[in-house]
Amino acid sequence: DAKTTQPNSMESNEEEPVHLPCNHSTISGTDYIHWYRQLPSQGPEYVIHGLTSNVNNRMASLAIAEDRKSSTLILHRATLRDAAVYYCILRDYNNAGNMLTFGGGTRLMVKP
Amino acid sequence: NAGVTQTPKFRILKIGQSMTLQCTQDMNHNYMYWYRQDPGMGLKLIYYSVGAGITDKGEVPNGYNVSRSTTEDFPLRLELAAPSQTSVYFCASSYGTGYETQYFGPGTRLLVL
Repeated sequence: DAKTTQPNSMESNEEEPVHLPCNHSTISGTDYIHWYRQLPSQGPEYVIHGLTSNVNNRMASLAIAEDRKSSTLILHRATLRDAAVYYCILRDYNNAGNMLTFGGGTRLMVKP
Repeated sequence: NAGVTQTPKFRILKIGQSMTLQCTQDMNHNYMYWYRQDPGMGLKLIYYSVGAGITDKGEVPNGYNVSRSTTEDFPLRLELAAPSQTSVYFCASSYGTGYETQYFGPGTRLLVL
């Protein structure tokens, strides 16, 4: 699977938007871009995923660059509950194992 | 739906002891996974299963065994526990392959002394 690069940590103020970047310059045409997050002392949870077009759901938005070599997870109004480690993961939809390959992720700290 | 449940939540083992970590899902998912997470690190895949009776190794399978006799259950067996197996263990499941979402359990924290 292609690798991703994320900043180790980011800070945000409560109720402000947060843009979490991810670089994936070696992405292949069959790779989906997935985001998971892990709240303290919990298992990871799915946030959003996309292939080429920008995506929105109730939790976040995903903006994908036109060349697909980078993407940005957008939290529109950060809350204290959004403090977590956010993982950007590439998943080949042809991968029979369906495993998730976790990197170090970005630790998001939200200040009140 | 309870989703993915794991037992126990926490366990201390002595070196050389064995134990089984339990994982059950009630979503009728075909795929199930075991990951471990060492402090400050991302998750690493230990074993996975694509259906009852079918299992395969992940990235770090040494020291572990699995079985999948039913769709719902995917236990992870530790034989001869070692301090290097001190970690948090997460079980996950998904309906299918490719881009399907994985649903994670709350984890089992294991300390080997």
